Amino acid sequence: DAKTTQPTSMDCAEGRAANLPCNHSTISGNEYVYWYRQIHSQGPQYIIHGLKNNETNEMASLIITEDRKSSTLILPHATLRDTAVYYCIVRALGQFYFGTGTSLTVIP
Amino acid sequence: KAGVTQTPRYLIKTRGQQVTLSCSPISGHRSVSWYQQTPGQGLQFLFEYFSETQRNKGNFPGRFSGRQFSNSRSEMNVSTLELGDSALYLCASSPGTASIRNEQFFGPGTRLTVL
Repeated sequence: DAKTTQPTSMDCAEGRAANLPCNHSTISGNEYVYWYRQIHSQGPQYIIHGLKNNETNEMASLIITEDRKSSTLILPHATLRDTAVYYCIVRALGQFYFGTGTSLTVIP
Repeated sequence: KAGVTQTPRYLIKTRGQQVTLSCSPISGHRSVSWYQQTPGQGLQFLFEYFSETQRNKGNFPGRFSGRQFSNSRSEMNVSTLELGDSALYLCASSPGTASIRNEQFFGPGTRLTVL
């Protein structure tokens, strides 16, 4: 059951900010937004999560709209190592629903 | 802390055989989830175990089963393998409290090829 919608692919110049959007218009009040990324053939890596407030950690920032129907993951200074598939996931109790993700390519 | 480990990393089986995959969670984590990843279907949830009990189950046939031991290690078993079972099988662990804020930590996966 896909609960999120993401663009299939995006490019970003190295050193620039990468802004990855996610639509989750059916999100419930108790569901968190999580972001993971997966570098080719490796296990997904946790990036960040939030409920309604904007969040920032050493990897990225998460901006959630006031109505919580969409969010944006921001990688402030993209590097070549950030090339990966990025998954936006909503989750309450229970399983994580991974969509198809956004394939981000960082271009030198 | 050591991360999530999965064994074996690669496996080749033939149709009709069965296979058992193993996952050791991060020390202290009590929840283990299993996912199947294929090019066509993406990452799909199989099941989740917490304290030796299956807590959630995805939409997979009964050929896919799992269990969790008292030390939180988990195994998944696929019987009567089909070609379509070829996939990367990922295990993820989390602290496993009832909090929905717990993120999952993934292992490197087991690449299963069914011939």
